[in-house]
Amino acid sequence: TQLLEQSPQFLSIQEGENLTVYCNSSSVFSSLQWYRQEPGEGPVLLVTVVTGGEVKKLKRLTFQFGDARKDSSLHITAAQPGDTGLYLCAGAANAGGTSYGKLTFGQGTILTVHP
Amino acid sequence: DAGITQSPRHKVTETGTPVTLRCHQTENHRYMYWYRQDPGHGLRLIHYSYGVKDTDKGEVSDGYSVSRSKTEDFLLTLESATSSQTSVYFCAISVLLAGGEQYFGPGTRLTVT
Repeated sequence: TQLLEQSPQFLSIQEGENLTVYCNSSSVFSSLQWYRQEPGEGPVLLVTVVTGGEVKKLKRLTFQFGDARKDSSLHITAAQPGDTGLYLCAGAANAGGTSYGKLTFGQGTILTVHP
Repeated sequence: DAGITQSPRHKVTETGTPVTLRCHQTENHRYMYWYRQDPGHGLRLIHYSYGVKDTDKGEVSDGYSVSRSKTEDFLLTLESATSSQTSVYFCAISVLLAGGEQYFGPGTRLTVT
């Protein structure tokens, strides 16, 4: 069974601060995704990283996939109240094939950005 | 927008009663999934489907069954609801791109009293 440990579980910061969320595993993933979820809604995909060492930027969000494809991080620069939400990482064992597209999710990080 | 709807969006039911949740998609995706979301647990896979009448168990399948008689509909049934099944249930589809991205419905909040 593949596990993804996400940390921290809760993060409460002031507007303008920087933060990093971590997602770690002892297993290798073929890809890793980050989702954001707002109350009363389903998770929404932010990004997918596929290659070990890959870095992707989405405005103030920077996503990194570890060289060994076992871990990932999400860094937010100058956080804004609109960034508030639940952030989830999810790993894919392999791209399709016998895994049937199943994902393993981390426990989530609840981010609150205060004005 | 992956065209995924879930019904009902909210339900309160009594312990021991059967409950069926429906997931409907409009884009004929082959792979569909049911998850439950509880505080501190992220999303946990209940059952998944890889085609019409092709389903399999996920990590928390006890007490749940599924059916998929049409590509567009994936039903989750709680045969005899228990209070431990109070949760938010999400349906998802995968387009099985290289990254395995999934797209989620809006969720069903189920309370078992």
